[in-house]
Amino acid sequence: EVQLLESGGGLAQPGGSLRLSCAASGFAFNYYAMSWVRQAPGKGLEWVSTISGSGDNTYNADSVKGRFTLSRDNSKNTLFLQMNSLRAEDTAVYYCAREDGSSLRFVDYWGQGTLVTVSS
Amino acid sequence: QPVLTQSSSASASLGSSVKLTCILSSGHGSYIIAWHQQQPGKAPRYLMKLEGNGSYKKGSAVPDRFSGSSSGADRYLTIANLQSEDEADYYCETWDSNTVVFGGGTKLTVL
Repeated sequence: EVQLLESGGGLAQPGGSLRLSCAASGFAFNYYAMSWVRQAPGKGLEWVSTISGSGDNTYNADSVKGRFTLSRDNSKNTLFLQMNSLRAEDTAVYYCAREDGSSLRFVDYWGQGTLVTVSS
Repeated sequence: QPVLTQSSSASASLGSSVKLTCILSSGHGSYIIAWHQQQPGKAPRYLMKLEGNGSYKKGSAVPDRFSGSSSGADRYLTIANLQSEDEADYYCETWDSNTVVFGGGTKLTVL
C-alpha cells in the first residue's frame, strides 16, 4: 500500500524558513517522481514543485522559484521541501504526491497534507 | 503552457448521473489529463487518467460508477448513480514539459 506521510508544517514568520518532509513507503521510491501541491484556505489546488525519480531534475512553479528547493534522499525514501523567504501567500496545506512515472506527469497518490501558516 | 477550464459548480440528484467538464486550452487539445476528487475536509484522491481518444484508466478502489470520456479538447468525468459521498470538489490536472496545471475545480452538490 502506497503511503505518504508529511511532517514539518507549522507557524513561520514572514521572511522565515520551514522544511517539509515526506516519508514514503509501499512502492519503489527511487523510481517515481515526487511533487508538492498546495492548497490555500478555501482555494483550489496549486502545483508547487516536482523532482524526478533520480533527483537529477526539478521543476518549480514561478510563484516559488528562487525561494523553495525540492530534494530527495532515495536511501531513506524521503522527500524534502526547503521553503525560504516565506510570504503570507504561502499559507496553505501542503500535500506530498507521487507522480505516475519517473518524471513530471500527473499525481496518482496523495498524502494527507501538512499545514503551513506564515504570519507575524 | 496549457490552461484547464472547469465550471465552478454543478448539482444533481441522489441516484442520478452527472457529467463534469474540463476544457483544454487552444493548442493543447490532445493532452492527457487526470481527474481528482476532494471530499470536504480531506486530502485529494486520484480518480483516473483520461486520454484524448477517450481511453481512461482508474486508480485503485475507484467505484465503477466513475467513468471518463473525451471530445476534442473537452474531457469529461461522469458519475452514475450519485451517492451522498460523491459531494466533493473535482479537479482536473495536466502537464507540459516543465509545468503542471490544475483546473479551478468544480464543486459538486448532491441534492
